[in-house]
Formats: sequence, C-alpha cells, structure tokens
Amino acid sequence: QPVLTQPPSASASPGASVTLTCTLSSGYSTYKVDWYQQRPGKGPRFVMRVGTGGIVGSKGEGIPDRFSVLASGLNRDLTIKNIEEEDEGDYHCGTDHGRDSNFVWVFGGGTKLTVL
Amino acid sequence: QITLKESGPTLVKSTQTLTLTCTFSGFSLTTSGVGVAWIRQPPGKALEWLAVIYWDDDKRYTPSLRSRLTITMDASKSQVVLTVTNVDPEDTATYSCAHTLTWGSGRLSFDSWGQGARVTVSS
Repeated sequence: QPVLTQPPSASASPGASVTLTCTLSSGYSTYKVDWYQQRPGKGPRFVMRVGTGGIVGSKGEGIPDRFSVLASGLNRDLTIKNIEEEDEGDYHCGTDHGRDSNFVWVFGGGTKLTVL
Repeated sequence: QITLKESGPTLVKSTQTLTLTCTFSGFSLTTSGVGVAWIRQPPGKALEWLAVIYWDDDKRYTPSLRSRLTITMDASKSQVVLTVTNVDPEDTATYSCAHTLTWGSGRLSFDSWGQGARVTVSS
C-alpha cells in the first residue's frame, strides 16, 4: 500500500505564500490524494482532492481561492497564497488503496503550519 | 448542512470494550452511495482510518485492527456505532466520524467531520 510523506512543520508570515508537500511512495504515481485542514481544537476539514492533472472535483465547503494544488511526479502539493492567521493548523494528506476486503485509507504524518 | 457528533466514554480501562456513537444530520444512510467512516488520532500522532460503513451495510476495516473493530448503523436513528474490543493504552486517541464523498470505483474522501471524542485508556 502507498506511504505518504509530509514534512512535520512549515511556517510563513501573513501575506506570504507557502507550499506544503505530500510525497507518494514509489510505484503510486497515478494516485489521487486528499488534503485536510485541522485548525487548533477543531475536527479536520476537507480541502480538496488532487490527481495527476490537478484538482479533482470541487474544493471543500468554504475553502478560499487562496488554496490550490499541483501534482508533479510523486508529489501532491498544496499551496496557500496570501497566508492569513486562520490558516494556522495541521494539514494532512491521504489516499485510498485497494478494493473490497483489501481496501485501506492511509494518511501522511501531517504538517503543522505556523503563521508567524 | 451536514453535521456529525461523536459521543462515548472519555475513560475506559484496559481489556474493556469501547463503544462510540456517531449521531448525524443533513443526510440519510438509506441513500445510495452514502457512507460514514471512523478515523482516530492518538496524541501527537497521525490520523488513522479505522472503518467505513455504507448505505447498503457494506463495511470495510483497517487490516491491523480488523479483529477488534465492529461498525454498525441504525439509519432510523441517524447513528453509526463503532466498537473496539480489548482496548489498551495505545488506543488512547481522539475518535472522529466523517461523512464520505464517493468518487466511483470504490474511491472515497471524507468531506464532513465531527469534532471528535477524546478517549483515554488506562492500564
């Protein structure tokens, strides 16, 4: 099954941009990946799904245009432009694999985004 | 608007059975394609998907915990229940339920989440 790798932390100043990386393990270059935002003390929130061609479907409810995704090789990156304080939190990527009794859903380790 | 809320004990002892309930609104588990999943997050660790149940009572479990998990639904009550048997301190986590967004071919995302219920397992 795929493994997703995320850096443990990232930081950016208000108004700046930041790219959060999510890297699939070798052999899974066609896989789609979801991004989830988790603000402090809150449950996760669906941001968007990204495939090899970019966003799949629509962004999650209330996700602003400042959020975008880009796929390149094994990477499924989330970019946040014009960072705001409300963007601070943990960002998780994940994907599903297999079918029927072999189905699994796997998450990366998460990246803690600090707005300086 | 879809909402989900988890409920259950905050503290359980090792070897006991943990029962968590997800009560939801804004959708029905009698509608084709609809599902509810459980995901947990131990303190300081990554999210871990546990199980999903679909409108037709089809179920999937994470392989490493399959023997200890049971997911059931009561569509008339808008509830999904997860039981975890023989718990130990490693099961200490925040447990969340989520509505699934299906993409076809068995692919899914979690598009609405509950706040989560914190559970501590004492030894």
